Amino acid sequence: DAMVIQNPRYQVTQFGKPVTLSCSQTLNHNVMYWYQQKSSQAPKLLFHYYDKDFNNEADTPDNFQSRRPNTSFCFLDIRSPGLGDAAMYLCATSREGGNSDTQYFGPGTRLTVL
Amino acid sequence: GDSVTQMEGPVTLSEEAFLTINCTYTATGYPSLFWYVQYPGEGLQLLLKATKADDKGSNKGFEATYRKETTSFHLEKGSVQVSDSAVYFCALNSGGYQKVTFGTGTKLQVIP
Repeated sequence: DAMVIQNPRYQVTQFGKPVTLSCSQTLNHNVMYWYQQKSSQAPKLLFHYYDKDFNNEADTPDNFQSRRPNTSFCFLDIRSPGLGDAAMYLCATSREGGNSDTQYFGPGTRLTVL
Repeated sequence: GDSVTQMEGPVTLSEEAFLTINCTYTATGYPSLFWYVQYPGEGLQLLLKATKADDKGSNKGFEATYRKETTSFHLEKGSVQVSDSAVYFCALNSGGYQKVTFGTGTKLQVIP
């Protein structure tokens, strides 16, 4: 089945140790998103790609970076994780990003920072 | 800016009870409105959507009507099941891919 896949599902890292989360999609969608979701809160958009065009939200910390080497894959790099970065990270895609487009989410990666 | 307000949970219902989860919004222009559902341990998935005023979205027995006059998109189901236990997010998109705004989510627990 076409889908959005995230690896790993659970990631444990140490304070300050870089970590990379990955996302792949078989939907061939143009737009890919990374969200941060903390417990009992709404998903918070970190950034998105329209094809290769990168768009950073104004309040996304510099500690968070992203790469999209091709249509199918997108990576979230956290350069120096702090305790406050522990959260669920959700990857999503949409076909063109129009205002009626559905977003398709992966299962998420739960990041723990020790 | 855009915002979505949902009723706070958790909401606990007995099986076969009627469900309403309230959602109101403020937005510029003419947003599309969505309900997403998040089952335990999973990502969000679209439950239903409506793209213009008076449209009704429906799926799996759930319904919501886009009410522009009251800026609301309340989610309803006539008879809930234990398998409906999840967190429900109301969302809007008023201007393309950078403009999706989610509510804080409402946790529903259905007991047998």
